[in-house]
Amino acid sequence: GAGVSQSPRYKVAKRGQDVALRCDPISGHVSLFWYQQALGQGPEFLTYFQNEAQLDKSGLPSDRFFAERPEGSVSTLKIQRTQQEDSAVYLCASSQTGFDEQYFGPGTRLTVT
Amino acid sequence: DQQVKQNSPSLSVQEGRISILNCDYTNSMFDYFLWYKKYPAEGPTFLISISSIKDKNEDGRFTVFLNKSAKHLSLHIVPSQPGDSAVYFCAASETGTYKYIFGTGTRLKVLA
Repeated sequence: GAGVSQSPRYKVAKRGQDVALRCDPISGHVSLFWYQQALGQGPEFLTYFQNEAQLDKSGLPSDRFFAERPEGSVSTLKIQRTQQEDSAVYLCASSQTGFDEQYFGPGTRLTVT
Repeated sequence: DQQVKQNSPSLSVQEGRISILNCDYTNSMFDYFLWYKKYPAEGPTFLISISSIKDKNEDGRFTVFLNKSAKHLSLHIVPSQPGDSAVYFCAASETGTYKYIFGTGTRLKVLA
């Protein structure tokens, strides 16, 4: 079946612009995660959804970052007033229950100029 | 404070030989460990996992060893193949939680 998909794959934003990154999880997966991967680093947890409920947003670096999953499937990560330090690959992952293996999408590479 | 460490940023191995990738962790509460493999421009894909009740788990050419007292795990690939060339991430979590903590990755290059 289809895996996790993300769009756009690449995004260039001027500093101060708002961006929205989309994630389509595997159909039927209850849990959805967002990670940020800076160059040369491993993925770092940003936030976690179980269905439409955002149960953990402890990893979001600032209040400029906002995530939603209104119908419990597709999720959007929004970054307002982007800064250069937001440049990274943003990875989305889903899992059936949240406590089993996570399946990752290809990521969105965000470059803020 | 890096809770999961992969101290070798890169590793080169001849095709057919064994590749050994290492990972250390500091949090004694971690009891579930995973290895993910990542090709360029793709997301990480799950490779193999191990729970702390075991010290070894094998899946084909891939074996993960866990040494709880040393807080160390390793991934062995035998025999290594050129298609194994990728970045390998070690990740750790506590049973019953959903949060994975990843290491910084080791880039494996298998030379033909």
